Amino acid sequence: NAGVTQTPKFQVLKTGQSMTLQCAQDMNHEYMSWYRQDPGMGLRLIHYSVGAGITDQGEVPNGYNVSRSTTEDFPLRLLSAAPSQTSVYFCASSYSGGIGNEQFFGPGTRLTVL
Amino acid sequence: ELKVEQNPLFLSMQEGKNYTIYCNYSTTSDRLYWYRQDPGKSLESLFVLLSNGAVKQEGRLMASLDTKARLSTLHITAAVHDLSATYFCAVTNPRKETSGSRLTFGEGTQLTVNP
Repeated sequence: NAGVTQTPKFQVLKTGQSMTLQCAQDMNHEYMSWYRQDPGMGLRLIHYSVGAGITDQGEVPNGYNVSRSTTEDFPLRLLSAAPSQTSVYFCASSYSGGIGNEQFFGPGTRLTVL
Repeated sequence: ELKVEQNPLFLSMQEGKNYTIYCNYSTTSDRLYWYRQDPGKSLESLFVLLSNGAVKQEGRLMASLDTKARLSTLHITAAVHDLSATYFCAVTNPRKETSGSRLTFGEGTQLTVNP
C-alpha cells in the first residue's frame, strides 16, 4: 500500500492564481481531511469528508473548496491564492469503524504564495 | 469550542534525563492521540488513548490519559538524541458520531535532546 499520497510536494503561486492540491489513499478509508500547518499553531482543519459525496467545513475553510467523488481521492482547491495561504498542507485519512482509529497523514505539500 | 494546549512548547534536555510533556483540553473527550513530527516530515502516530486511566508505552515514551482532569501526559525516560522532534497531542469531540474524521491539535512541543 502506498498509504496517503499528495502532489505536488512543493508549489509556488502568485496572488490570485488558482490550483488544486491532490490527495489519494489506497486503504479504503471512509474519512479524509485536509489540515494546514503554520509555525507555532499546530495543525488546523480546513475541510473534511466522511465518505464519497459528503464534505463539510472545518476550522479554517475560507478560500478553499473540496469535493469527494470517490473514496480514494480528496482534492483541495485554492480558488484565488493569497499570501495568507502560504503554509504546509497535510491530507489525512482514517477508518470510520470502531473507535480510536488514528488518522494517517500524507507527506504534505509546501505552498508559497507570492 | 474545543481547545488543546500543550506545555512546554519548547524543551531542551540532556541525554539520559527524564521529562514530561503535558496536554490539556477544554471539553470532554475520551480519545486522545499523540503524534511525532520530524523537521520537514509528516506526522507519525505514536499513541491512541481511548479511556480514562489508559497508559501506553513504546520504548522510552509513555503516554497516559486522565479524562476527568482533561489531561494527557507524554513521559520521556532517559532521553536519547533520536527522540528530538516535535510532539503533538490531538483530541476528537466524542459527542459527534463522525468525530474521527477531524482532530483538534495542540501547538506542539519542540523537543531537543542534547548529547
